[in-house]
Amino acid sequence: QSVLTQPPSVSEAPRQRVTISCSGSSSNIGNNAVNWYQQFPGKAPKVVIYHDDVLPSGVSDRFSGSKSDTSASLAISGLQSEDEADYYCATWDDRLNGWVFGGGTKLTVL
Amino acid sequence: QVQLQQSGPGLVKPSQPLSLTCVISGDSVSSIRAAWNWIRQSPSRGLEWLGRTYYRSKWYNDYAVSVKGRITINPDTSKNQFSLQLNSMTPEDTAIYYCAREDTEVEDFDYWGQGTLVTVSS
Repeated sequence: QSVLTQPPSVSEAPRQRVTISCSGSSSNIGNNAVNWYQQFPGKAPKVVIYHDDVLPSGVSDRFSGSKSDTSASLAISGLQSEDEADYYCATWDDRLNGWVFGGGTKLTVL
Repeated sequence: QVQLQQSGPGLVKPSQPLSLTCVISGDSVSSIRAAWNWIRQSPSRGLEWLGRTYYRSKWYNDYAVSVKGRITINPDTSKNQFSLQLNSMTPEDTAIYYCAREDTEVEDFDYWGQGTLVTVSS
């Protein structure tokens, strides 16, 4: 059972927009920045959004992030087949004094 | 460009310790804007942060509650690397283990090692 809650899977058609949610509490998302990671099979995760809504250099601007209270979201617009991957949210938890992750969401591009 | 190269065994016997090393290139283990982390991933536990070491005038460690008491993360400044030791391994510790750099100004894991699949089995 992960500290942060994500839907196990989402799917959408190419060129459409999809959002992935991440729900936490006041000790984690409510008080700290959220990062989003993309992971392909057999590869290490790669950050696609940091500090809630900041796009790292080299990441497509089709990715965007937002946060409100104790929830965060990752949005991907103009879906492409290459976006098909697992996505994880992560943040610091003040109560646990450590990093916590969501359980991951598998994105399928139909 | 920062690179992290992991090494260590892929098979550990139950009750034995796991020892992994992560060699850093392109940065320093003593960097005051980084922390050096170990993270593992398994189908049953997902991504799980294990702990970190970092230098801010002196060395600090933070460890996850789930492994506290069994884990040690040590820096080695002479070899510019850091290590993980996890004692009393059980089959539940079977996972892919990653080392990762945390940029402490940006607060994200921006560089990762290649991962090491560790299986706990007799």
